[in-house]
Amino acid sequence: DTEVTQTPKHLVMGMTNKKSLKCEQHMGHRAMYWYKQKAKKPPELMFVYSYEKLSINESVPSRFSPECPNSSLLNLHLHALQPEDSALYLCASSPLGHTLNTEAFFGQGTRLTVV
Amino acid sequence: GDSVTQMEGPVTLSEEACLTINCTYTATGYPSLFWYVQYPGEGLQLLLKATKADDKGSNKGFEATYRKETTSFHLEKGSVQVSDSAVYFCALLMDSNYQLIWGAGTKLIIKP
Repeated sequence: DTEVTQTPKHLVMGMTNKKSLKCEQHMGHRAMYWYKQKAKKPPELMFVYSYEKLSINESVPSRFSPECPNSSLLNLHLHALQPEDSALYLCASSPLGHTLNTEAFFGQGTRLTVV
Repeated sequence: GDSVTQMEGPVTLSEEACLTINCTYTATGYPSLFWYVQYPGEGLQLLLKATKADDKGSNKGFEATYRKETTSFHLEKGSVQVSDSAVYFCALLMDSNYQLIWGAGTKLIIKP
């Protein structure tokens, strides 16, 4: 299984809603990532978890709250978002170990629209 | 800091034409280099990679060679198909961390 699975594929939410994005992988990867991608732009790193601990937060607003319940799951909790937060949210995973020169596997993304 | 520069798009070609998408990088150490592809409405897929100088990555008819002397990793394909239409991202990864550094992406349009 070399897949990273993200749910839902599409999400429309109001600015007062609370929702969560989910990501799952069963490749035994111990690094997991959240990226945000606006149209026609490269992905922007938001968060990195390594061994289920948050290791990098790229100055992301607190209305985005990540959670890593176990080594296979990664969530992104959303609350009080703004229309400019509309984007494709990508989850990725990669191995950690002596050799870090391995690729990240990406999910298909969640297309989020904030209205 | 480390960075990746890609040729601006869109690149528009006819089917069966030759493709080159330029990618150059700046890095203080010895990065691994990647090409990712993003088809319309989808996530990112790894297309090919190279982990050291002179390595050649290849997949689905695409090739790229890690050129340390020119700090380049140009993507090439001898004969493109309509199904190759997508956005292509060049990226590097330093062995001191696991954060990908991305190029801006190049949109490729192949016309029948």
